[in-house]
Order: sequence, then C-alpha cells, then structure tokens
Amino acid sequence: DVKVTQSSRYLVKRTGEKVFLECVQDMDHENMFWYRQDPGLGLRLIYFSYDVKMKEKGDIPEGYSVSREKKERFSLILESASTNQTSMYLCASSFRGSNSPLHFGNGTRLTVT
Amino acid sequence: RKEVEQDPGPFNVPEGATVAFNCTYSNSASQSFFWYRQDCRKEPKLLMSVYSSGNEDGRFTAQLNRASQYISLLIRDSKLSDSATYLCVVTAGSHDMRFGAGTRLTVKP
Repeated sequence: DVKVTQSSRYLVKRTGEKVFLECVQDMDHENMFWYRQDPGLGLRLIYFSYDVKMKEKGDIPEGYSVSREKKERFSLILESASTNQTSMYLCASSFRGSNSPLHFGNGTRLTVT
Repeated sequence: RKEVEQDPGPFNVPEGATVAFNCTYSNSASQSFFWYRQDCRKEPKLLMSVYSSGNEDGRFTAQLNRASQYISLLIRDSKLSDSATYLCVVTAGSHDMRFGAGTRLTVKP
C-alpha cells in the first residue's frame, strides 16, 4: 500500500516566520506534488517535481519554494509566512505517466496568525 | 470557464437511492480521468479510474463521454458511509492534472 507521509497534521505559525512542510513517500514514485485546498477554490497546484532536484511551478507558486534532494522527499517552504497562506496543504505522489493516479498524504492544516 | 466543472451540490439523498454526478472538462487533449472521494478534513482518496469503455466497481459505475467531454459517477444503493465530497480529476499529462471543486453528497437514513 502506498504511503505518503506529511510531517505535521496541524501547524500554527506567526506572520513572517519561515515554514517547512515535509513530505515523504515510500513507493519510489518519480512525481511529487504540493497542493493547497481552500473552500470554494478546490485543489490548486503550487509546485511539482518529476525527478530529484527538478522542480516546476504550478498555478500558484508565489510565496513558496520547494526542495527535492532525495527521490522520496519533497519539501515545501514558505519563505515568509503570511495570513493568506492559511490553508490545508496536501502532498501527493505518482509514477511517471498520465495513467498513474495521485496518492495523497493526510494533509497539513497550517494557520498563520 | 473553468477547466473542470462539477455541480457542487449538496446532493441529499435517502439510503438506498441511486445518485449520479457529472464532471465536464474543457481540454479535448485530456487523456486520463479519475474519481476521488474526500471525507471532511481528510485527504482525497482514489475511488476509481475512468476507462473509455466505462467501468464498474461494486455499486459504483464510471463512464466517459469524449464527444461531449464529460465523465460521470453513478452510485447505486447509497449507504450512509457514502457521504463525502467526490472530486473528478482530468489529466492531459502526468504533470497536468486538473481537479474539479467537488460535489458534496449526504446520504440520510
């Protein structure tokens, strides 16, 4: 069974703090993704990575950066957290190929005060 | 126009009812299609892939209509445990996945 693990379930940070969200998958997936999910807006792609050290911007990359130093780990970084980054963050992974579905981690609910 | 559109609902149905959701997409180059289920405050979980010929998994049937660019999900004999939000996902490539905003289903006793 695929396991995608996010380091924190709930996180509360202050405005201006640097925030790290970690994601690890154990299925040797090439692709990894970071989404945020907000009521009424659905899931929006922040960044994705299709290989180690490779990254591509998604639809809403502003205010975020990512790191993929190892195949199994994909980190999302909020350089200077702002209140509009309060959201549910979901990591996902998949094999290469459009027929491969996404497998999600259980999410990190981030609150920025 | 959104790339993937779903009726947000909510759909409120009694136990045992049959309910159907549609999801329309705008990119005619879309290749793969999926339905996910998301419970409140949980992550989306894959319910089923959608194949060109249509496919069934127990009480769930998924269909694809490429000509009209929509996919559908039919749930027969609804159970209380089917209450959730159902998301459709349309992909045009392994990095180009588009999510619908979800359809909320509540099954009542």
